[in-house]
Amino acid sequence: QVQLQESGPGLVMPSQTLSLTCTVSGGSISSGGYYWSWIRQHPGKGLEWIGYIYYSGSTYYNPSLESRVIISVDTSENQFSLKLTSVTAADTAVYYCARDGGGQGFFDPWGRGTLVTVSS
Amino acid sequence: EIVLTQSPGILSLSPGERATLSCRASQSISSSYLAWYQQTPGQAPRLLIYGASRRATGIPDRFSGSGSGTDFTLIISRLEPEDFAVYYCQQYGSSPITFGQGTRLEIK
Repeated sequence: QVQLQESGPGLVMPSQTLSLTCTVSGGSISSGGYYWSWIRQHPGKGLEWIGYIYYSGSTYYNPSLESRVIISVDTSENQFSLKLTSVTAADTAVYYCARDGGGQGFFDPWGRGTLVTVSS
Repeated sequence: EIVLTQSPGILSLSPGERATLSCRASQSISSSYLAWYQQTPGQAPRLLIYGASRRATGIPDRFSGSGSGTDFTLIISRLEPEDFAVYYCQQYGSSPITFGQGTRLEIK
């Protein structure tokens, strides 16, 4: 079955850019039919959807983060990535990547998540 | 955006009891595009229910979802020890996708 794995730095300096990659195994992003999302969870808090990308490169972002977010896809590597610019301590969170439910907006499966701390 | 309010915030029950979790939306959710997830400490959320009432693959039938419009419910008919966790609802009928703040189900 499809599995997702996040990777990237666990510590980012304030005002810098957070960069994460999600590697997909057990299925091909380029086969289509699914949207690929980033979701974050602040420590001890609820979940916030960041945005998604389709294999073609089409994206949609949460308006609350849209000015700072770029999601991209690399079908040759079967990966998609997140860049969040101008980070502050408020961006400290566990970041998850997830696949949607076949064109619907629920999420299954999820990656295990990676904690990113913004601190100097 | 649609705001989802879950209640109660904390639910204390014993194994074998029935749990009823509520999720109320600030406006009607189209086509019952409402999902429920379970999250245990240190783990990613796990999809339980989508389309308000459809169980995800591999989810035991003691989990059931219902509701439409603005009011949705997740019922766990007979609590097992592994069911004590945090539960989130999520709507995907309107952009942006939003989640509720969660209900913590704890052992009494």
